[in-house]
Amino acid sequence: QKEVEQDPGPLSVPEGAIVSLNCTYSNSAFQYFMWYRQYSRKGPELLMYTYSSGNKEDGRFTAQVDKSSKYISLFIRDSQPSDSATYLCAITTSYDKVIFGPGTSLSVIP
Amino acid sequence: EADIYQTPRYLVIGTGKKITLECSQTMGHDKMYWYQQDPGMELHLIHYSYGVNSTEKGDLSSESTVSRIRTEHFPLTLESARPSHTSQYLCATSRGDSWHFGDGTRLSIL
Repeated sequence: QKEVEQDPGPLSVPEGAIVSLNCTYSNSAFQYFMWYRQYSRKGPELLMYTYSSGNKEDGRFTAQVDKSSKYISLFIRDSQPSDSATYLCAITTSYDKVIFGPGTSLSVIP
Repeated sequence: EADIYQTPRYLVIGTGKKITLECSQTMGHDKMYWYQQDPGMELHLIHYSYGVNSTEKGDLSSESTVSRIRTEHFPLTLESARPSHTSQYLCATSRGDSWHFGDGTRLSIL
């Protein structure tokens, strides 16, 4: 079993939809959780960083962590065509050695 | 805005050649990393550094080497390129919960 599992998609939604992206992990020792956005031909860009269970909001983005279920989510409200990208979840036990999911490809259709 | 630069962006080269991928940053971050990314797959850590004269191997077995003589520079060298080295190579820096990636080098070995 991989340490981080993520549905690769692709996921296609109409503009304005609420998008839910999810990851599961296997090691309960993981305590830092990140979401990255990666546009084609670009490096990943850190969107959200959290280390506790519950919700963290930043604009249209909400990161949710459920440590009891080992499940993390990223919600995107009022999705825009510019949100079309691959979204990577990443988790770690420390700041240094990060384990990435394979990413979910998202397309927001105008 | 983060300043992390990778050169070259694209490289097509023959088997057996020695290759150096460059990564430079202007943020003064001590921690730097090299990741390998194949399409639809997780990022895999190849090498990392906690500062000048510090280098460590990551989880992915690799025939590459790195050096960290200056804080801002973290080059990756392949002594003898093989077709199995064809991939995208991403350089990253971190300080605390601040992470930044370069846009990568796409390497093709013929």
